Amino acid sequence: QVQLQESGPGLVKPSETLSLICTVSGGSISSYYWSWIRQPPGKGLEWIGYMYYSGGTNYNPSLKSRVDISADTSKNQFSLKLSSVTAADTAVYYCASTHLVLYYMDVWGKGTTVTVSS
Amino acid sequence: EIVLTQSPGTLSLSPGERATLSCRASQSVSSSYLAWYQQKPGQAPRLLIYGATSRATGIPDRFSGSGSGTDFTLTISRLEPGDFAVYYCQQYGSSLPFGRTSLPFGQGTKVEIK
Repeated sequence: QVQLQESGPGLVKPSETLSLICTVSGGSISSYYWSWIRQPPGKGLEWIGYMYYSGGTNYNPSLKSRVDISADTSKNQFSLKLSSVTAADTAVYYCASTHLVLYYMDVWGKGTTVTVSS
Repeated sequence: EIVLTQSPGTLSLSPGERATLSCRASQSVSSSYLAWYQQKPGQAPRLLIYGATSRATGIPDRFSGSGSGTDFTLTISRLEPGDFAVYYCQQYGSSLPFGRTSLPFGQGTKVEIK
């Protein structure tokens, strides 16, 4: 059974780049798409983007100019970089495996809270 | 870009009652790509339904999904105490320019104890 674990700084300063890593265990990174989703405090889920291990990506149009999702296959990890952050980027960030054909997200990490503040 | 609208925003029901949650897409979508998730406070979302009607592994049969085109429904036949949570629909969308795709979520429906 695939398990996912997010890691990264819990506090990022405004205008800086948020960087998170999702470590995949119990499965191969080549078996799924890999998504990042976030949830601002008290709000709903927002899809950020997804990637395939070979490098193909798709991003939420509202975040596209600031987002980069990539994989490190040697470590079975994938990462999220979100540049020029503001307080509006404060959220719980989740990584999730995404089915290659039907695009549902069947395994989720527990989430990591990122606060943007000086 | 596809937008998913869920209704109602909040559903107040008692244990044992039937819950009917709606997810409407801004344009016709394939039912193959419609999923539902349950999220409890402080927890990550959990996949309930995929392909509009298929239950994920371990999901009890009191949860069922239906619908096609632009209108989809999640039904909980008899609410149990652990079912009070927020529910989200999610869809694969292929209508972005340059062949890009998106995986938008609806805004969620909270099922609360009456």
